[in-house]
Amino acid sequence: DTGVSQDPRHKITKRGQNVTFRCDPISEHNRLYWYRQTLGQGPEFLTYFQNEAQLEKSRLLSDRFSAERPKGSFSTLEIQRTEQGDSAMYLCASSLSATGNEQFFGPGTRLTVL
Amino acid sequence: DQQVKQNSPSLSVQEGRISILNCDYTNSMFDYFLWYKKYPAEGPTFLISISSIKDKNEDGRFTVFLNKSAKHLSLHIVPSQPGDSAVYFCAAIGNSGYALNFGKGTSLLVTP
Repeated sequence: DTGVSQDPRHKITKRGQNVTFRCDPISEHNRLYWYRQTLGQGPEFLTYFQNEAQLEKSRLLSDRFSAERPKGSFSTLEIQRTEQGDSAMYLCASSLSATGNEQFFGPGTRLTVL
Repeated sequence: DQQVKQNSPSLSVQEGRISILNCDYTNSMFDYFLWYKKYPAEGPTFLISISSIKDKNEDGRFTVFLNKSAKHLSLHIVPSQPGDSAVYFCAAIGNSGYALNFGKGTSLLVTP
């Protein structure tokens, strides 16, 4: 399968714990995005990488959130000191800048904070 | 401040008929529009897109229409099939941005 993959698919954690999610984009894609989706809403943009550089961050990305893409391939999203309001689906997408604006999404990581 | 609006949370259509999903936007800087389809427990799947320099784009059973003056776009599915039952999201992007701005989605149910 050459699509975007995310791990884990589900994560249940207790409030105050740290969690880390991984995203592997489509192999030749140089752009990578993180979005968050809550019930009844569309995905909301969190952050964007071009290769290894993080070029844009949403105001939704509080100081407890950090994202990396160290070698311009896979990316991690870490949430520190999780809160119940962090419960959501975290979606990763990738695209190839040369081919336009279409972003291709992974299956998401469902986070539940108890 | 929802910049992309899908005002119909749900739509039910009989198999074989046309499904029309609507989307409105407020930001005149948006110049590229996309439709995604989402099944439960899966990520959104890209369906079809349209640039602001066009007013129509067709791909098989799916056609997207763009009315820039009205800031309105619509997705037509003809003929509708039960497998089309999913949530459809409209998204928009500006030429200087990277973030897709999504609507809240419309849940389409195609009944046999």
